[in-house]
Amino acid sequence: GAGVSQSPRYKVAKRGQDVALRCDPISGHVSLFWYQQALGQGPEFLTYFQNEAQLDKSGLPSDRFFAERPEGSVSTLKIQRTQQEDSAVYLCASSLEPARRDTQYFGPGTRLTVL
Amino acid sequence: AQKITQTQPGMFVQEKEAVTLDCTYDTSDPSYGLFWYKQPSSGEMIFLIYQGSYDQQNATEGRYSLNFQKARKSANLVISASQLGDSAMYFCASSGGGADGLTFGKGTHLIIQP
Repeated sequence: GAGVSQSPRYKVAKRGQDVALRCDPISGHVSLFWYQQALGQGPEFLTYFQNEAQLDKSGLPSDRFFAERPEGSVSTLKIQRTQQEDSAVYLCASSLEPARRDTQYFGPGTRLTVL
Repeated sequence: AQKITQTQPGMFVQEKEAVTLDCTYDTSDPSYGLFWYKQPSSGEMIFLIYQGSYDQQNATEGRYSLNFQKARKSANLVISASQLGDSAMYFCASSGGGADGLTFGKGTHLIIQP
């Protein structure tokens, strides 16, 4: 079946603009995760959804970052008033089971560049 | 909090040789999982192999095996008979320790030479 998909694959934003990044998880997967990967680093956890409930947002770096998954499927990560330090690859992952119990499968990521 | 250490920033290996990528972890949680992911230049994280902390045997998946040494807190990835297509970044990651997300190391850049 289809894997995790993300759109857009690349996004260039001017500093101060708002952006929205979309994730389509594997169908039927309960859990959805967002990660931020800076250049040359491993991914860092941002937030976790179990179905439509956002159970963990401890990794969101500031209140400019907001994520939602209103129907328990597609998720959107929104970044308001983007800054240069937000430039990174944003990875989405999903798993069949709740967090900590199952393998996470990743999408191709969205590369965000803030000018 | 969990911590993953990958001490090899980069490795060059001849095609068809076996390669071992090092990973050590630090956790006080008795229940955890260890994962290896491959990230080619396209950017997607590809799941390779999983080892649970209570698994008695080392995990294997085709040419990949995980050398799990619990007392040493190490979870090295072994790739047998390396191929040119194995060239990529490799990340070790852990679950558990009270965190919902995975904790990743900084990765090892593996280059397979013909």
